[in-house]
Amino acid sequence: GAVVSQHPSWVICKSGTSVKIECRSLDFQATTMFWYRQFPKQSLMLMATSNEGSKATYEQGVEKDKFLINHASLTLSTLTVTSAHPEDSSFYICSALQEQIPYNEQFFGPGTRLTVL
Amino acid sequence: DAKTTQPTSMDCAEGRAANLPCNHSTISGNEYVYWYRQIHSQGPQYIIHGLKNNETNEMASLIITEDRKSSTLILPHATLRDTAVYYCIVRVVGGSEKLVFGKGMKLTVNP
Repeated sequence: GAVVSQHPSWVICKSGTSVKIECRSLDFQATTMFWYRQFPKQSLMLMATSNEGSKATYEQGVEKDKFLINHASLTLSTLTVTSAHPEDSSFYICSALQEQIPYNEQFFGPGTRLTVL
Repeated sequence: DAKTTQPTSMDCAEGRAANLPCNHSTISGNEYVYWYRQIHSQGPQYIIHGLKNNETNEMASLIITEDRKSSTLILPHATLRDTAVYYCIVRVVGGSEKLVFGKGMKLTVNP
C-alpha cells in the first residue's frame, strides 16, 4: 500500500509554545488529507480535512485558530498547534487520500505523540 | 455515516481463527463495510472492505450477511502481532471521504 509519513514521531514542548507536525504522502499525490486526534484509550476523532490549495474544513468544536492547517503541496500537509497547553497533549494522526478507480483509499501516518508540559 | 457496534473486547488463542463481529443494522445500500486495525501507538492499518459479497485478501476474510446488517472479520490463524484494536466502519464510496471511527474492539491474542 501507499506510504504516509509524519514528522516528528514525538515532541515535548513547553506550555505556550507552538508545535508543527508534518504529514507527507511519499509515493502518491494527495489533494486531500485528514487530521485526527486520539486521547489515551479513546478512539480517533477527526479534527479537520486538509485540502490542497484551499482552506481546511474543521469539524465541529475544533478551533481553527488554534490548530492551523496548511496544505501547500500535493504531498505535504502541516498541522500547527498554536499556544499549546497540557490539554493538547495527545496522539495526532494524519491520513492521505489516494484517488484511484474504482474507489479512493485513505492511508494513515504512524502518528505524532505530543506532550505539552 | 451509519453507526456500527462491536464488542468491547475479545480474546483469542494464538494459531486459532479469530472471528470479530460487527453490527451495522442501519447501513444504506451504497455504504461499504470497512475494517481497520490499530496496533498500540501506531496509525490505523487498512484490512479489508466489502459491499455485499464475501471478500478475502492476504490478511483476512470478510463475511457480510445477506441482509447486510452485520459482518464478521475473520483472521484465519491469529498471531501475537494481531493484538490490536479493530474498527468496523461503514462509509459511502464516492461520497464524503471521512472515516468515522467508533470505539472499536480490542483483540488480544494469547500465547
